[in-house]
Amino acid sequence: QVQLQEPGPGLVKPSETLSLTCSVSGGSISSSSYYWGWIRQPPGKGLDWIGSIYYSGSTYYNPSLRSRVTISVDTSKNQFSLRLNSVTAADTAVYYCVRHLMIGGNEMGAFDFWGQGTMVTVSS
Amino acid sequence: DIQMTQSPSTLSASVGDRVIITCRVSQSINSWLAWYQQKPGKAPNLLIYKASSLESGVPSRFSGSGSGTEFTLTISSLQPDDFATYYCQFYNSYSWTFGQGTKVEIK
Repeated sequence: QVQLQEPGPGLVKPSETLSLTCSVSGGSISSSSYYWGWIRQPPGKGLDWIGSIYYSGSTYYNPSLRSRVTISVDTSKNQFSLRLNSVTAADTAVYYCVRHLMIGGNEMGAFDFWGQGTMVTVSS
Repeated sequence: DIQMTQSPSTLSASVGDRVIITCRVSQSINSWLAWYQQKPGKAPNLLIYKASSLESGVPSRFSGSGSGTEFTLTISSLQPDDFATYYCQFYNSYSWTFGQGTKVEIK
């Protein structure tokens, strides 16, 4: 059973860079043809897809965040990471790492495994 | 950009009720629609993918239907564990977008 784990809650100052890493257990990022992604949820609000990465390194980003986001994968550590530059209070949210549902090698447009989420607050 | 509208935003229902939540999109997405359940303080849980495919382990009282631009999630007989917020989510051209959510409350 795949498990995803983000780090503990964090505080980031405005204009700085938010960095999160998701550790994957129960399967190898490099040996399985999966997409991995990040989703966030501001307090009391809905879900917002940030971006995703294929195990080979191809990346896909939400157009509204593309200029500030970088997602990368470290197969040696079985982890993938999110960097969000120039943060503001609007980036305060619970951040989830996720795995895309794949069937028969095809991405099925949904997310089947989620981390527990980590709260990131942007404040000076 | 494809626009999505999820309705209602809040729904009051009783145990045993049949509950229907709707998502409409502004252009056809074929069947690339998923449904999730989220409880307070928890990550969302996938219920339905490809509009009508039940994720493994999800009770059969949950069902999804629709294609093109209009989709529904039906809970055939609401159970106490089903009071939660539900989100639809569509996929189109390497972009994944969520609806606004529907909170199912106890009547």
